[in-house]
Amino acid sequence: GIQVEQSPPDLILQEGANSTLRCNFSDSVNNLQWFHQNPWGQLINLFYIPSGTKQNGRLSATTVATERYSLLYISSSQTTDSGVYFCAVEPPRDTGNQFYFGTGTSLTVIP
Amino acid sequence: DGGITQSPKYLFRKEGQNVTLSCEQNLNHDAMYWYRQDPGQGLRLIYYSQIVNDFQKGDIAEGYSVSREKKESFPLTVTSAQKNPTAFYLCASSIDRQAAQHFGDGTRLSIL
Repeated sequence: GIQVEQSPPDLILQEGANSTLRCNFSDSVNNLQWFHQNPWGQLINLFYIPSGTKQNGRLSATTVATERYSLLYISSSQTTDSGVYFCAVEPPRDTGNQFYFGTGTSLTVIP
Repeated sequence: DGGITQSPKYLFRKEGQNVTLSCEQNLNHDAMYWYRQDPGQGLRLIYYSQIVNDFQKGDIAEGYSVSREKKESFPLTVTSAQKNPTAFYLCASSIDRQAAQHFGDGTRLSIL
């Protein structure tokens, strides 16, 4: 099956710093999503981004499908950004909407 | 408010017992999903359903069963055949297969 690798696995930032999270995938994909899981386990959909660039406030994401990677940018980080960020991809061969998740980047923002 | 409701939040199972996790959505979404998350890991798909009365196995369906009798409901049964059921279970839905998935708050299942 498709492999999804996220880097770095862990990241500690000072509040106000910027960061870039990376998601590499081993095959072409139909779709890609970024999620944030807060310390209570709640998963929030950040971006649905099979290609191109999207921005939402301090967050933005870019997917370059031809080169099999996606980047999530966090600017001016806040303590509420702490949690685990997951990338999930849907390979084109599937008949259903089955997404495969990476193991995540654990982000800690310290005041 | 529209959303996805999972219940219970915490669940304890005895050895050899089947338990059912509830997932209800009032978003009028066609597709629903069940994922399992183990500590320090990403999510793995158990089952998904694109439409009422139809569902497909994901990568780790063994020991689990589902039903989709109503559009808004997609319950997951963890059977006694699932030898390592302790995990965090997340239900999701999307309007269709080409749309973002939205998640419930999850159910934490533990073995007594």
